[in-house]
Amino acid sequence: GQSLEQPSEVTAVEGAIVQINCTYQTSGFYGLSWYQQHDGGAPTFLSYNALDGLEETGRFSSFLSRSDSYGYLLLQELQMKDSASYFCAVRDRDYKLSFGAGTTVTVRA
Amino acid sequence: SQTIHQWPATLVQPVGSPLSLECTVEGTSNPNLYWYRQAAGRGLQLLFYSVGIGQISSEVPQNLSASRPQDRQFILSSKKLLLSDSGFYLCAWSVTALDSPLHFGNGTRLTVT
Repeated sequence: GQSLEQPSEVTAVEGAIVQINCTYQTSGFYGLSWYQQHDGGAPTFLSYNALDGLEETGRFSSFLSRSDSYGYLLLQELQMKDSASYFCAVRDRDYKLSFGAGTTVTVRA
Repeated sequence: SQTIHQWPATLVQPVGSPLSLECTVEGTSNPNLYWYRQAAGRGLQLLFYSVGIGQISSEVPQNLSASRPQDRQFILSSKKLLLSDSGFYLCAWSVTALDSPLHFGNGTRLTVT
């Protein structure tokens, strides 16, 4: 099976940088994904890493180290609208996608 | 473009009553389909997923069941709801590629009283 660990919450001020770490244990690994969920809404896809290294998409970047079973999501130039929960997720070869418990990011003015 | 419809948006049901939540996808063929449940302030728990008509994989032994009667239709059911079934139920789809992201419906908030 799969298990993922990420911090439960992070608080930062506008304009700051936040890094959300995710460590995982999985019997089969086909990439690490990140999703954002605003309160009361549906999760939306942010990024995907299948290979080691950094993927950058605007203010958000995601990193993967397969040898360490570790990844992180980097949120730069934080804005109030970035206040949300962020989930890491891993997929196995049967297309099952398992999520971490989520990290609540609170951005303060 | 692809869209996913999930209904109802909210539902209040008494303990012991049946449940049927429906999800349909438009604009794609043979999608992978998923049902997740999210308790308040918690992560997403995978309940069922399907890679084709009639192919259902159950992740959590519950009093819930799922069916896929048509290619783009996924139904979550229960014969008798428990209080612990309360939560936010999310349907999602993806194409059949391991790097494909999940696209979620707007969810159904179920309260069992």
